[in-house]
Amino acid sequence: AQSVAQPEDQVNVAEGNPLTVKCTYSVSGNPYLFWYVQYPNRGLQFLLKYITGDNLVKGSYGFEAEFNKSQTSFHLKKPSALVSDSALYFCAVRDIETGGFKTIFGAGTRLFVKA
Amino acid sequence: GAVVSQHPSWVICKSGTSVKIECRSLDFQATTMFWYRQFPKQSLMLMATSNEGSKATYEQGVEKDKFLINHASLTLSTLTVTSAHPEDSSFYICSASYSGTSYEQYFGPGTRLTVT
Repeated sequence: AQSVAQPEDQVNVAEGNPLTVKCTYSVSGNPYLFWYVQYPNRGLQFLLKYITGDNLVKGSYGFEAEFNKSQTSFHLKKPSALVSDSALYFCAVRDIETGGFKTIFGAGTRLFVKA
Repeated sequence: GAVVSQHPSWVICKSGTSVKIECRSLDFQATTMFWYRQFPKQSLMLMATSNEGSKATYEQGVEKDKFLINHASLTLSTLTVTSAHPEDSSFYICSASYSGTSYEQYFGPGTRLTVT
């Protein structure tokens, strides 16, 4: 079965420091991987995706993610964190076993960026 | 682009009544729409997937007769919570995708339902 794991419930970073939010996946076949961000009392916003090609994917708001096939990871990164980056981040994988319509979400990681 | 709206953003209803939540894709045609439920400090729980003009596919454990989903057009899907009870209180989020996007989803802002 397809799944994603976000091992950290919470990540704390000082403003200006680099941040990493971890994600590992388990899929059959080639993975379609996504990162979404959720601000308080709002729906999710698409940040970036990996389908194929370059392992380093750049997305919105200065975020990027690195696809690592050998480690089955897709960690989200940003070189310099902002207080406004504080939010809930979800890693997700397209569920190709059910025809590709569904997306499986990780449990989420809450990011706190301190000024 | 790829904006999804939801209405209402919050609603309070009495136990036993029904509530309808609308989800619209504003600037694209959504071939597939999804309805999620999110509990506080938890991930999204997929309730159902719907394609325009066909019946929704419900996830295991989700009551079809309680959570009625209609995907009447390529820009509108509705979720009706029938005979609502306090345990139905939650944050409901819809999303939409369209062919050609490699299946990333575009989410509505969510609807907070409180059943008293």
